[in-house]
Amino acid sequence: DAKTTQPTSMDCAEGRAANLPCNHSTISGNEYVYWYRQIHSQGPQYIIHGLKNNETNEMASLIITEDRKSSTLILPHATLRDTAVYYCIVRVNQAGTALIFGKGTTLSVSS
Amino acid sequence: EAGVTQSPTHLIKTRGQQATLRCSPISGHTSVYWYQQALGLGLQFLLWYDEGEERNRGNFPPRFSGRQFPNYSSELNVNALELEDSALYLCASTSPGPPYNEQFFGPGTRLTVL
Repeated sequence: DAKTTQPTSMDCAEGRAANLPCNHSTISGNEYVYWYRQIHSQGPQYIIHGLKNNETNEMASLIITEDRKSSTLILPHATLRDTAVYYCIVRVNQAGTALIFGKGTTLSVSS
Repeated sequence: EAGVTQSPTHLIKTRGQQATLRCSPISGHTSVYWYQQALGLGLQFLLWYDEGEERNRGNFPPRFSGRQFPNYSSELNVNALELEDSALYLCASTSPGPPYNEQFFGPGTRLTVL
């Protein structure tokens, strides 16, 4: 079973920041937080990951609370192409560790 | 750099038949993962192959099997097809050695069992 809890759906206006929350209250000390997204019927796409520090890349920012029990993925300027299902996954960073997907959050970006 | 490729894109079979799905990882990647995405069940881990060996499998019956070839491409076989095997089958690859951060997914094979 997935070890994360996410809202089922969220809406965002184009050009605004999309903030997607994730609860992972049972996360272990050696587990990372990963975010993937899946645009309709395509393969999932890696977005970002982090252990305890906030992370930023060209796609998004990841904010992890100090107690590591929750995190927020931030898409700073959402576009229509960001409409997708976003999955928050906790995972040990070692060879062979499969991704355990939950139901994710369906983000709808509208103009 | 070419991504993960899968074939065929679509596959239609009838109950009881066998299906073979193929995956070519990104050049240099030695690990291949298979996932099943059935309607209403989400993405579920099926199998992990590394260096030609099956290293781990998810909670699926033995009629789901596969292999990895010396060139690291992989094949997933589903025997005695059942209606509930209808799903999108996704393959992902990762590079050898740490960090094991990112799994690169292919576009998937949509299997329909009639």
